[in-house]
Amino acid sequence: KAGVTQTPRYLIKTRGQQVTLSCSPISGHRSVSWYQQTPGQGLQFLFEYFSETQRNKGNFPGRFSGRQFSNSRSEMNVSTLELGDSALYLCASSEGQGNVAKNIQYFGAGTRLSVL
Amino acid sequence: DQQVKQNSPSLSVQEGRISILNCDYTNSMFDYFLWYKKYPAEGPTFLISISSIKDKNEDGRFTVFLNKSAKHLSLHIVPSQPGDSAVYFCAASAQGGADGLTFGKGTHLIIQP
Repeated sequence: KAGVTQTPRYLIKTRGQQVTLSCSPISGHRSVSWYQQTPGQGLQFLFEYFSETQRNKGNFPGRFSGRQFSNSRSEMNVSTLELGDSALYLCASSEGQGNVAKNIQYFGAGTRLSVL
Repeated sequence: DQQVKQNSPSLSVQEGRISILNCDYTNSMFDYFLWYKKYPAEGPTFLISISSIKDKNEDGRFTVFLNKSAKHLSLHIVPSQPGDSAVYFCAASAQGGADGLTFGKGTHLIIQP
């Protein structure tokens, strides 16, 4: 099975712009979660989508949004970029239901976003 | 407020010896704990997990211990190998993993030859 695929791997944007990141989960996985990793804050949970619905949300401003398509692929959007949004954005997928073993999250390699 | 803490940013261990990585948590609602390993330029890779109904889980060279009363878990790697050099993240979730994972800030494990 192919793993979690994130595109693009690297992005450079300027303040005020918006950006869209893409994630293709492992085949058969219906849950996609997004995380932000920065040196100061570590890995922080952004939100989780399951069957095209946002099921859980972390503590991030409304500039961060996402969606999930019927094939479970997900996109994350950040509007009005700020310097502090520079980070590694990681996507993880899981089956999303059932016992805990089915909720183990498998991560992609991430998208490195630099905001200038 | 950090709910999952890894107090050692780095740890150096000799090849062949035991590596012990520690993690503390504050949220008593956490009921599922995981360890991930991360190499540079790659996403975290799932290593081992433990449910709060257990106090130990073993998988090959890796063993995770959970002490619920102390809100502490540890990962033991025996014997340590050069390929184990990586950043190790402790993560926790409530509701059986149905919500997002809360991560510690990681411990950089360096295996010395």
